[in-house]
Amino acid sequence: QKEVEQDPGPLSVPEGAIVSLNCTYSNSAFQYFMWYRQYSRKGPELLMYTYSSGNKEDGRFTAQVDKSSKYISLFIRDSQPSDSATYLCATHGSGNTGKLIFGQGTTLQVKP
Amino acid sequence: DAGITQSPRYKITETGRQVTLMCHQTWSHSYMFWYRQDLGHGLRLIYYSAAADITDKGEVSDGYVVSRSKTENFPLTLESATRSQTSVYFCASSGISEQFFGPGTRLTVL
Repeated sequence: QKEVEQDPGPLSVPEGAIVSLNCTYSNSAFQYFMWYRQYSRKGPELLMYTYSSGNKEDGRFTAQVDKSSKYISLFIRDSQPSDSATYLCATHGSGNTGKLIFGQGTTLQVKP
Repeated sequence: DAGITQSPRYKITETGRQVTLMCHQTWSHSYMFWYRQDLGHGLRLIYYSAAADITDKGEVSDGYVVSRSKTENFPLTLESATRSQTSVYFCASSGISEQFFGPGTRLTVL
């Protein structure tokens, strides 16, 4: 079993839709969670960073962590064609190695 | 320019040749990382470094060598390139928590 699981999609939605991207993780000791966005032929860029449980909002983006079910989500409101990208979830995992554990990434297409 | 840079951005080489990919960061981050990204596999860690002169293997380190004599530089060498090493390579660095990525090097091994 992978430590972080993410459905690769692809996910296609119409412009304006609410998008829900999800990951599950295996180890309840994981506490720091991140979402990266990667445009085609570019490097991943950090989108959201959360610690422990709860929600964090930044504009149209909301990151949610449910530690009881070991589930992390990224919601995109009023999705735009410019949101079309691959979204990767990640966690620091346990220990203090600096390494991240990534999900496989979900490819999102927002159609005008 | 501040940030993290990689060179070259594109490279075509032949099987058996040695290739070095360069990575430079201007933040003085302690941690640096090399990943490869392939369809169906996502990002896979090749090597990482916690500080100058401290490096450790990731999950796919066979055939790769790294060094880190200076904090800001973290070159990755393919000792004898194979076709299976055709990939996009990303360098990253992090301080306390967040990890930042370079633009990537697209390597083709013929």
